[in-house]
Amino acid sequence: AQSVTQLDSHVSVSEGTPVLLRCNYSSSYSPSLFWYVQHPNKGLQLLLKYTSAATLVKGINGFEAEFKKSETSFHLTKPSAHMSDAAEYFCVAAFAGKSTFGDGTTLTVKP
Amino acid sequence: DTGVSQDPRHKITKRGQNVTFRCDPISEHNRLYWYRQTLGQGPEFLTYFQNEAQLEKSRLLSDRFSAERPKGSFSTLEIQRTEQGDSAMYLCASSLASGAEAGYTFGSGTRLTVV
Repeated sequence: AQSVTQLDSHVSVSEGTPVLLRCNYSSSYSPSLFWYVQHPNKGLQLLLKYTSAATLVKGINGFEAEFKKSETSFHLTKPSAHMSDAAEYFCVAAFAGKSTFGDGTTLTVKP
Repeated sequence: DTGVSQDPRHKITKRGQNVTFRCDPISEHNRLYWYRQTLGQGPEFLTYFQNEAQLEKSRLLSDRFSAERPKGSFSTLEIQRTEQGDSAMYLCASSLASGAEAGYTFGSGTRLTVV
């Protein structure tokens, strides 16, 4: 069994400041890990994925995430937030064909 | 190919009515997934197909729900005798045969409101 915990349900940052969205996973195996973004009334878009290659993964729109096995974490970061980053973000663990989604983190970006 | 398409985008129905949603996946993706998402929650798995075979169904998928993918291309999700608790966003996703580990391409979803 696997589970995903997104540690913050809401994160608010000012435009131009760094973004940190936290994700911890629990799995009996080594899952593939993903971050998806969902803008209002839209489907989910893949931001980045980790599949046991480099532990620092770069994604679209300047986002990146670091896989830390010892901490079972896969936190999402961006050096400088943009207004268009305001959205819901989901951390996902996948193994053996099954995907488990976290409950999401709402990112608000203040001007 | 413009990605995963879902139709309709929005559906309002009266309790007790039947509804059907359609999903057209990316053509070269042979796996197709249905998820349900309620407000404030992450998507919950409902079912998935590899080609035309329905390989897994969640316990969330009650007898009122049925999904098909008759020719291994588009899929339909039908809800019979809708209830207010069925109100949600229904998301379709597709992927290559490597499945969940490859990552999904999601459609924009169908928002169902049962009144």
